[in-house]
Amino acid sequence: QSALTQPPSASGSPGQSVTISCTGTSSDVGAYNNVAWYQQHPGKAPKLIISEIAKRPSGVPDRFSGSKSGNTASLTVSGLQPEDEAEYYCSSYAGRDTWVFGGGTTLTIL
Amino acid sequence: EVQLVESGGGLVQPGGSLRLSCEVSGFRLSGDSMHWARQAPGKGLVWLSRINEDGSQTTYADSVKDRFTISRDNANNMLYLQMNSLRAADTALYYCVRDRRFAFDLWGRGTLVTVSS
Repeated sequence: QSALTQPPSASGSPGQSVTISCTGTSSDVGAYNNVAWYQQHPGKAPKLIISEIAKRPSGVPDRFSGSKSGNTASLTVSGLQPEDEAEYYCSSYAGRDTWVFGGGTTLTIL
Repeated sequence: EVQLVESGGGLVQPGGSLRLSCEVSGFRLSGDSMHWARQAPGKGLVWLSRINEDGSQTTYADSVKDRFTISRDNANNMLYLQMNSLRAADTALYYCVRDRRFAFDLWGRGTLVTVSS
């Protein structure tokens, strides 16, 4: 049950795009299409922004997109806006009814 | 309003116990698997435990197995986490979370547990 690997930080200027990676193993990210992404602003609860690799819940802007290749999933935020500055976490189903989160990535808008 | 409200956190001495509760409103608890997750101060999210819709199946992270017990009362729309043998490393904000298609789509605001002498 090791945490998924995310870069500690990412940054971009308003209007630019940024991609955050989430690397697991063939037992979690690589094995299932159940990768999700969460956005967490300081002092707030996490909010689901991507499920099942690339599905956006209702109300989530289409600037947020997800993908997966092998054992690595990615979140791309296009057209960066100031309100996108937050902590981002990935999660994956890891089999046997267990889940695992990534360590989190702090996205800074320059 | 669809929401999860956690309670039961507080200050406890090492080796002590606490029981967290999560009150569900706005949807029928019996239709969803539920989880507990936690976040230590300034740290990332950690998955702790999952219980299936009728409470017959439970799983735990290795870090809390044999110390924590998840349970649910569907009739009263409540989820619980019994925490025993608490350690300083268990200090965290504990979240109640709803599972929809293997993703955590609804989160409570959390309840803070502090383990300290």
